[in-house]
Amino acid sequence: DAGVIQSPRHEVTEMGQEVTLRCKPISGHDYLFWYRQTMMRGLELLIYFNNNVPIDDSGMPEDRFSAKMPNASFSTLKIQPSEPRDSAVYFCASRRSAGQPQHFGDGTRLSIL
Amino acid sequence: DAKTTQPPSMDCAEGRAANLPCNHSTISGNEYVYWYRQIHSQGPQYIIHGLKNNETNEMASLIITEDRKSSTLILPHATLRDTAVYYCIVRPRDNTDKLIFGTGTRLQVFP
Repeated sequence: DAGVIQSPRHEVTEMGQEVTLRCKPISGHDYLFWYRQTMMRGLELLIYFNNNVPIDDSGMPEDRFSAKMPNASFSTLKIQPSEPRDSAVYFCASRRSAGQPQHFGDGTRLSIL
Repeated sequence: DAKTTQPPSMDCAEGRAANLPCNHSTISGNEYVYWYRQIHSQGPQYIIHGLKNNETNEMASLIITEDRKSSTLILPHATLRDTAVYYCIVRPRDNTDKLIFGTGTRLQVFP
């Protein structure tokens, strides 16, 4: 079975540019999560969706970050404008229903110069 | 939410059992213990979870003490590919949305 698919795997861009990270959850999973991992803060939940609707975005650091889920098989996390402190590994995860374990993608390693 | 405490690092010889402890002394009655691991350059991977009974699957066994204040994840025959950071997370069964990953235990399996 295909797991959670994230793209790109690596992204290097200059400060001020718009960055778009993409995620395809596992088919049939109703929940989708976006996490960020840094050495300083560890793994943090940014936002999650249930049936394409954002449920909790309290972890989104600021207005420069936005996430959408236009349909059940696709989500994006956008940073505009990007800053060097946004450099991190961004993970997407999905799960079938409440109480089920989350399944993670292999992440996007983002570097903002 | 119950807080968990894990040793920062452990070593294990290949082929031997790896026993990873987790302390969760403030766990409440409706909270489950979940274990995930993160191999270098990969996303976290679910391993196992349990409430109060011992659990076993193809990856590992989970032993929870009778008072539920601590647990141990057991990898019965560790391999080099088990080298990873292991996270113990306590969450209510009906609210595993916000997984809180602490610093975990870095397990190094050596030949």
